[in-house]
Amino acid sequence: ETGVTQTPRHLVMGMTNKKSLKCEQHLGHNAMYWYKQSAKKPLELMFVYSLEERVENNSVPSRFSPECPNSSHLFLHLHTLQPEDSALYLCASSQGLAEDNEQFFGPGTRLTVL
Amino acid sequence: GQNIDQPTEMTATEGAIVQINCTYQTSGFNGLFWYQQHAGEAPTFLSYNVLDGLEEKGRFSSFLSRSKGYSYLLLKELQMKDSASYLCAVRDGDYKLSFGAGTTVTVRA
Repeated sequence: ETGVTQTPRHLVMGMTNKKSLKCEQHLGHNAMYWYKQSAKKPLELMFVYSLEERVENNSVPSRFSPECPNSSHLFLHLHTLQPEDSALYLCASSQGLAEDNEQFFGPGTRLTVL
Repeated sequence: GQNIDQPTEMTATEGAIVQINCTYQTSGFNGLFWYQQHAGEAPTFLSYNVLDGLEEKGRFSSFLSRSKGYSYLLLKELQMKDSASYLCAVRDGDYKLSFGAGTTVTVRA
């Protein structure tokens, strides 16, 4: 595997389910990010981790819970979601948090909440 | 809050040139990125500007004017594979990227 991978690619869940999204980066990066991308809307930054420490929690509802067990893996745990949470969830990584560090994105998980 | 504007859609002919404008009003500025995103795929990095002027990379060029809060992405010699969404993103703090909603470019034969 190369780059940033995400599983599953598609997920359909009910409002009472609990599920987790997984992201893995194979680039040796130190920073990882979760973004939400809704149709026709800008990407919204949700969480940022640097060296496994959370540095940003962008006013995200508690039904989204991130976990970063090591610098290569990032999870997003989901529970009691709402239909409006249906979106594409993108994971990204960068070398660090420096200004010119480009972010490398994974292919995303398309989430549908029924 | 952050305000990043770019046109929703643009259409151009194969072989032509298209310019995608991006204007921004943000609380800080530490650089501007352009990303390309094909439908159903990950955004991929195209360019980074932090100083005023033009950066050229093959068929793609990006321009920045910090005093005007303005950037554009220029796509030359358009190919069908250039049909995609183009995202303008401003780094407005230490590491946060604020994105525009994206411009969908359709290239016609």
